[in-house]
Amino acid sequence: SYVLTQPPSVSVAPGKTARITCGGNNIGSKSVHWYQQKPGQAPVLVIYYDSDRPSGIPERFSGSNSGNTATLTISRVEAGDEADYYCQVWDSSSGVFGGGTKLTVL
Amino acid sequence: EVQLVESGGGLVQPGGSLRLSCAASGFTFSSYDMHWVRQATGKGLEWVSAIGTAGDPYYPGSVKGRFTISRENAKNSLYLQMNSLRAGDTAVYYCARGLGIAAAGPFDYWGQGTLVTVSS
Repeated sequence: SYVLTQPPSVSVAPGKTARITCGGNNIGSKSVHWYQQKPGQAPVLVIYYDSDRPSGIPERFSGSNSGNTATLTISRVEAGDEADYYCQVWDSSSGVFGGGTKLTVL
Repeated sequence: EVQLVESGGGLVQPGGSLRLSCAASGFTFSSYDMHWVRQATGKGLEWVSAIGTAGDPYYPGSVKGRFTISRENAKNSLYLQMNSLRAGDTAVYYCARGLGIAAAGPFDYWGQGTLVTVSS
């Protein structure tokens, strides 16, 4: 089965840029989606099809995907961005999630 | 406004059964594939099942043969029949709207979840 690998945690100071990676075999050939989940809340879609942003998601959130790594980039990080982030793809008609990355704003 | 409201969670003994429901509103339910995603306490997200607009079901190996997804478009409702439940099935179960399995689309709206606890 297809495996997505994310770092368990990423820390960043306010105003700086956070980059969260999602590794997978030739993930660049797949469409990657990213979700933000705050404690006690349901996940929220923040990036879809590698780099598209749903309405209401700040432009500070962006995504890229190439080779074996997809990346979620959050610019000018704010305290409110502290959350768990998950990448997701489809593989052989099955949904696959990464293990999640906890973003801590210092 | 898109709304997804899950119900039916609770405490069930190992080997038992439970049926989850998801009431949808604010969009044309029959036009979207629908999904169940679960999350054990303190753990990550796990896709559990999907159903296409034509009623075609999809499952991962971990639940295939034990879980059955279905939909009733006339009632804007999604269901998950869970049988032979195990302790490892304990989790919050989310209902989510999909933007196309064939298109490898995302889950763009999620419910608030319903807790399933499998314990004796």
